[in-house]
Amino acid sequence: QVQLQESGPGLVKPSQTLSLTCTVSGGSISSGSYYWSWIRQPAGKGLEWIGRIYTSGSTNYNPSLKSRVTISVDTSKNQFSLKLSSVTAADTAVYYCASMVHNYILSYFDYWGQGTLVTVSS
Amino acid sequence: SYVLTQPPSVSVAPGQTARITCGGNNIGSKSVHWYQQKPGQAPVLVVYDDSDRPSGIPERFSGSNSGNTATLTISRVEAGDEADYYCQVWDSSSDREVFGGGTKLTVL
Repeated sequence: QVQLQESGPGLVKPSQTLSLTCTVSGGSISSGSYYWSWIRQPAGKGLEWIGRIYTSGSTNYNPSLKSRVTISVDTSKNQFSLKLSSVTAADTAVYYCASMVHNYILSYFDYWGQGTLVTVSS
Repeated sequence: SYVLTQPPSVSVAPGQTARITCGGNNIGSKSVHWYQQKPGQAPVLVVYDDSDRPSGIPERFSGSNSGNTATLTISRVEAGDEADYYCQVWDSSSDREVFGGGTKLTVL
């Protein structure tokens, strides 16, 4: 069973770049069986998909965040990462990484990390 | 963009059946997935592809999808089922994952 663990700073200053890493265990990130995704959830609110990446490096982002988001993969470390630039208080949320089943008919998140709270504040 | 609409809350007595709906334009043509999220925890997939259950999810959880509404049904509700539930689809036209706003299930 795949396990995921988010890591990164819990506090980011406004206008700076939020950077998080997700470490995958229990399976190879480059196996080709999964896509890898980031999702966030502001306190007391719903889930928002940020974007996904395939082992090849192919990405797709939520249009509402696309101009500020970069997701990358490091197969040598079995990790994938999120960078969100020019953050504001509205980016304060719990950030989850997740593995995805994604093909021409199905796309869903089967395993999730525990989540990490990122607060944007000076 | 594609929008999924869920009722903010559903209440049910223990042992009864809870039905949580997820509305969307012609959602019956899409595959719908459901997640359970308990306070302070990450979401857990409970139903995928409209009505399939991942390993370890009780048979009490089932799903259906037709027309403009998908439904998550929880039979013989237990206190431990109290949680937020989210539906999710892939909008293939925009290649974007979409979540419903979530429904808080209260067990009376």
